[in-house]
Amino acid sequence: AQTVTQSQPEMSVQEAETVTLSCTYDTSESDYYLFWYKQPPSRQMILVIRQEAYKQQNATENRFSVNFQKAAKSFSLKISDSQLGDAAMYFCAYRSAGANSKLTFGKGITLSVRP
Amino acid sequence: EAGVAQSPRYKIIEKRQSVAFWCNPISGHATLYWYQQILGQGPKLLIQFQNNGVVDDSQLPKDRFSAERLKGVDSTLKIQPAKLEDSAVYLCASSLAGGSPTEAFFGQGTRLTVV
Repeated sequence: AQTVTQSQPEMSVQEAETVTLSCTYDTSESDYYLFWYKQPPSRQMILVIRQEAYKQQNATENRFSVNFQKAAKSFSLKISDSQLGDAAMYFCAYRSAGANSKLTFGKGITLSVRP
Repeated sequence: EAGVAQSPRYKIIEKRQSVAFWCNPISGHATLYWYQQILGQGPKLLIQFQNNGVVDDSQLPKDRFSAERLKGVDSTLKIQPAKLEDSAVYLCASSLAGGSPTEAFFGQGTRLTVV
């Protein structure tokens, strides 16, 4: 079974600075997708960024980018120019490329942004 | 595009009572997920539907939880009888066919408190 590990329960960053959130996963599959989701206090889970395992290029979405290391099974999220609105829980998630694959989440990390 | 709709937003019940949650996924999404999220933890998959068939319910406590997805659209999740440890947020999500790289879209969740 696939597992997703987020070992840092909390992190804090100064506004306008850069922060990196770590995630590792375990799988025996070669084709899969990885996601970072943001969950603000309002509870609605929102996709931040996704990475397809077959793509070597790291995904980027505005201030958000990932460092995808397939051999190391590592998928970290970098947030540049942190803003107060980035404060939330962040979840790393995995899904295999199979037709009936399930979406597995890590335990999450609480990010606070200091003004 | 309308998002995933869930109701109710909040529910308080006494232990041993029953409760039901409703979810209306995004139109055209074949895959529907129900997750349980205990405070401070990552979402745990309870059940996954592909159209109106169950593809994964390995973590659903079947002695008290049940779910159905009539006609492959709306879904209901029921708990009967509820226990104190069922207090959590119940998230519904939907996505296109399970093997696609598109993300799952989440509803706002139902916060259940069992007293």
